[in-house]
Amino acid sequence: DSGVTQTPKHLITATGQRVTLRCSPRSGDLSVYWYQQSLDQGLQFLIQYYNGEERAKGNILERFSAQQFPDLHSELNLSSLELGDSALYFCASSESGDLSYEQYFGPGTRLTVT
Amino acid sequence: AQSVAQPEDQVNVAEGNPLTVKCTYSVSGNPYLFWYVQYPNRGLQFLLKYITGDNLVKGSYGFEAEFNKSQTSFHLKKPSALVSDSALYFCAVRDSSGGSYIPTFGRGTSLIVHP
Repeated sequence: DSGVTQTPKHLITATGQRVTLRCSPRSGDLSVYWYQQSLDQGLQFLIQYYNGEERAKGNILERFSAQQFPDLHSELNLSSLELGDSALYFCASSESGDLSYEQYFGPGTRLTVT
Repeated sequence: AQSVAQPEDQVNVAEGNPLTVKCTYSVSGNPYLFWYVQYPNRGLQFLLKYITGDNLVKGSYGFEAEFNKSQTSFHLKKPSALVSDSALYFCAVRDSSGGSYIPTFGRGTSLIVHP
């Protein structure tokens, strides 16, 4: 158990809908990362927050947004969902924003868009 | 732009034999290099990292990795494979110069250890 929690574990929704994925980092970790994992694209970095502020942005679609709250939990919002958004979404956390720190991954949310 | 290559989609090895999972990287500055493992239906788990110092890094579950600057490689190794090592392995790189905060992962290598 990494100490990172993600909810929900599974999510099934229809095209055009909006969903929110939630992540609670390990106690004391200030950085949160979001990733999308699919068979064809592999593990894609979406976005990183450090202590409430956006630190880095990867291949995140404009339909997706995220934020980190004062209690350090984070939410990833996915809107106008398409079939291609079906994937595993992982949250990870690290102790600081320092690049040398390893990340601890949550169990993931499996999103299925029908 | 930084990148990571894991040239083998799959590695097959017999239990008890040594294993190697390959990783090469490209960054502008000095690299921070990481190996993670993913078991089925689980998130990635940190195995080991190279930041600076000794080129041979030891990590969890008996794994080690050797940093080779001239070959820009960071191959994962284990002297004697176990069936329970069967999983998906990811190499990742970050640029220590801070030019980019983006972590870059390889596409993963599926390790299959046969009994």
